[in-house]
Parts: sequence; structure tokens; C-alpha cells
Amino acid sequence: DVKVTQSSRYLVKRTGEKVFLECVQDMDHENMFWYRQDPGLGLRLIYFSYDVKMKEKGDIPEGYSVSREKKERFSLILESASTNQTSMYLCASSFALPGWGGVQETQYFGPGTRLLVL
Amino acid sequence: SQKIEQNSEALNIQEGKTATLTCNYTNYSPAYLQWYRQDPGRGPVFLLLIRENEKEKRKERLKVTFDTTLKQSLFHITASQPADSATYLCALDSPRGGYNKLIFGAGTRLAVHP
Repeated sequence: DVKVTQSSRYLVKRTGEKVFLECVQDMDHENMFWYRQDPGLGLRLIYFSYDVKMKEKGDIPEGYSVSREKKERFSLILESASTNQTSMYLCASSFALPGWGGVQETQYFGPGTRLLVL
Repeated sequence: SQKIEQNSEALNIQEGKTATLTCNYTNYSPAYLQWYRQDPGRGPVFLLLIRENEKEKRKERLKVTFDTTLKQSLFHITASQPADSATYLCALDSPRGGYNKLIFGAGTRLAVHP
């Protein structure tokens, strides 16, 4: 079974702190994603990565950065946490189908990190 | 802009009945559409994928239809059980600079009552 793990299930931080969220997948997937999920808004893509050291901005990248130094690990960094970044953060990974310009199919999600910024 | 709509109101049905959830989209033509299940406090889990050239797909008690003319997908759970209670998300691929990403709907919560 594909396994995507996230470093913390719950996290409480103070405004202005630097926050690191880690995600690890064990299926040798090329693609990895960070989403945030808020009530009524669904999943919104923050950043994704299609290869080691490669990254692309999603729909809401402001206030976030990412790092992918190894294929299995994708980190989300909140440079200076703010209260409006309180949310559920979900990491996902998937294969990239060859010949489709990086298109991917099924995404496998981690359990999520519920972050509260005070 | 691209938009996905799922019924925001919870769907309440009796055990044994068929649950039907709707996903409507506007302003683009996805190559495929996926349905995920999400339980409270957990990440979404993939259920089914249907491509634009497929009208219907089945998996056990699940059935998905994809009408590209109506820009709509229907997700059916037959002989529903209380264990089917969850939030169901639809997701469509969206080309972006050569790298496709998924756009998710906000989900519909299903409650199956004994």
C-alpha cells in the first residue's frame, strides 16, 4: 500500500514563527503536492513538485515556500506564520504518466496536519 | 474562471437506498474526473477515475457517470450503508503550463441512517 506520512497531526504555533511541515511518501512518486483545506473552500493547491529540486506555484503560494531535496520528501515552510494560515494542511503524491507532459492520475494523501496559529 | 460545484448541503438517506451526488463544472473541458472519499480528520482517499471518452464506470457498489455535454458527473452508491457516511469530493484535471494539476470541489457530506 502507498503510504504518505506527515510529520505532525496537530501543531500550535505563534504568529511570526517559522513553521516546517514535512511529508514523506514511500512509492517513488514523481509528483508531490501541498494543499490547504478550509470549510466551504475545498482543497486549494499551495505548491507542487514534479521532480527533485523542482517546484511550481499553485493557486495560493503567498506566505509559503517549499523544498524538495529528495524524491520522497516534500517540505512546506511558513516563513512567518499568521493567523490566517490556521488550516488543515494535506500532502499528496502521485505518479507522472510518461508522454503526457507530466499529467498525473490518482493522488495519495497523507493524514493531514491541523495547524493553529495564535 | 474554472469552477467546480458540489452540493454544499448534506445528503441524508436511509440505509439500503441509492445515494446520488452531483458534480458540475464550468469553463473548461477536463480530460478526466476523479471521486475521493474523506472521513473527518483524515486525508481524501481515491475511489474512481473516469475519462472524457467514458460514459460510465463501476466499482462494486459505486458508479460514476461523466456527461461532457452537460458538464456534469454523477456519483452513485447503491445499497448504501452507514459506513458510507463521509464527505465525497470530485476533482478534475486542469492543464497548467504543461503540468496538469487537479482542481477539487468543496465536497458533499453524505449521512446514511440505519
